[in-house]
Amino acid sequence: AQTVTQSQPEMSVQEAETVTLSCTYDTSESDYYLFWYKQPPSRQMILVIRQEAYKQQNATENRFSVNFQKAAKSFSLKISDSQLGDAAMYFCAYRSLSGGGADGLTFGKGTHLIIQP
Amino acid sequence: NAGVTQTPKFRVLKTGQSMTLLCAQDMNHEYMYWYRQDPGMGLRLIHYSVGEGTTAKGEVPDGYNVSRLKKQNFLLGLESAAPSQTSVYFCASTLGGTQYFGPGTRLLVL
Repeated sequence: AQTVTQSQPEMSVQEAETVTLSCTYDTSESDYYLFWYKQPPSRQMILVIRQEAYKQQNATENRFSVNFQKAAKSFSLKISDSQLGDAAMYFCAYRSLSGGGADGLTFGKGTHLIIQP
Repeated sequence: NAGVTQTPKFRVLKTGQSMTLLCAQDMNHEYMYWYRQDPGMGLRLIHYSVGEGTTAKGEVPDGYNVSRLKKQNFLLGLESAAPSQTSVYFCASTLGGTQYFGPGTRLLVL
C-alpha cells in the first residue's frame, strides 16, 4: 500500500513571500498521479495542482508550482507571492494507476499554512 | 452544472440510529468515492464505485454500506451509528485523473 507523508504540520510565511510545503510518498509503482489540494476553513477541497509521474516537467499553475523528484519520491509545493487567501490546510495526495485507476486517493495528514500580513 | 453535491450538510445522530448520506454529480462521471476526514488526518477512503450497480471497499469500510443504483448518485449508509463515526464525510467523482469533491457533510454521533 502507498503512504504519503507531510512532515510539516504547520508553516508560517509573510505575505508576498515564497513558501515550500514538503511531501514524500512511498510506492513500488512507476505510473501514478500526485496532487495538492487546498482546504480553506469552508472545508471545500480545492484542487491546486496535479502531476503525472510519467512527465518529467514540473507542473505549474500561476503562483503554484511543484518540484517533482521521482527517484527521491518527493513532491513539494511552492507558493510564490503568498496572499492572505492562500491560508488553508494543504494536502498532498497520491493516486495509483494500477487496476484501471479506479482506486481512491491516498492523502497525507496535511500542512496548515498561515499567512502573516 | 452544480458539480458534486451532498445532502445533508450537517446532522446529529444518537448512538444506534441509522441514516443515509446522499451524493449526486451532474458531470456524468463513472467513478465515485466516499471519504471521511477526522481531526489531524487527511481523508481516508470508505467505499467507492466504478459504475452503476458496482461498489468496492476502501481503507475504512467497517460500519458503512453503499449503493449506486443510478450513475449520478452514490449513497452512504450507517445502519447503527457509533460515536467513532463522528466525522466529516466527503463525496468525490472522477473522470480521467482528477477527483472533484463535494462540500462535505458534518456528522455528529452522540
